[in-house]
Amino acid sequence: DIQMTQSPSSLSASVGDRVTITCRASQSISTYLNWYQQKPGKAPKVLISAVSSLQRGVPSRFSGSGSGTEFTLTISSLQPEDCATYYCQQTYRTPRTFGQGTNLEIK
Amino acid sequence: QVQLVQSGAEVKKPGASVRVSCKASGYTFTNYDINWVRQATGQGLEWMGWMNPYTGNTGIAQKFQDRVTMTRNTSIGTAYMDLSSLTSEDTAVYYCARYLNDYSNLYWFDPWGQGTLVTVSS
Repeated sequence: DIQMTQSPSSLSASVGDRVTITCRASQSISTYLNWYQQKPGKAPKVLISAVSSLQRGVPSRFSGSGSGTEFTLTISSLQPEDCATYYCQQTYRTPRTFGQGTNLEIK
Repeated sequence: QVQLVQSGAEVKKPGASVRVSCKASGYTFTNYDINWVRQATGQGLEWMGWMNPYTGNTGIAQKFQDRVTMTRNTSIGTAYMDLSSLTSEDTAVYYCARYLNDYSNLYWFDPWGQGTLVTVSS
């Protein structure tokens, strides 16, 4: 199975900060990497597919980059509504594994 | 709009089975695979498997292979996930999600159902 490891597991930042979350795959997954946002009590929602494709309706302050085994999700200017847990996911092979999540809090 | 609507919360005793349904609307049900994911309280997302609604073919994560069955009723656009021999470890929110792709055949999950809480307790 492909293991997905996110860092950090949690982070606290201030409104307006630039925030970066890293996701590492245990083997190359090309560009089969997605990012999801989950707010408490809600289903996950896709933010970015295929490393860097911003989904419709997602604010442009979110961006993704990387390839192979290392990927990043960046929020250019943190907003209060970005308080959530973020997951990366690989769809290169089954099982379609997720990272353990990054809990993002606003200071 | 495209949406997946899941069945309501369930409370089951250890050793029992549960069926969660996932009704699709706003798109052609048989055109896209359905995936199932679960999430224990305060924990991360765990992929369980996929089903092709057109063929009925499935792929189940090894951990669940002897306990999970995924089926569908194409006439009503609904996918089902059956989980047997329940233990307290199966207490979780279960999600279905459509498997969507782009022109490069890169895939992601969108949308997700609202989730179904399954509680296993004696």
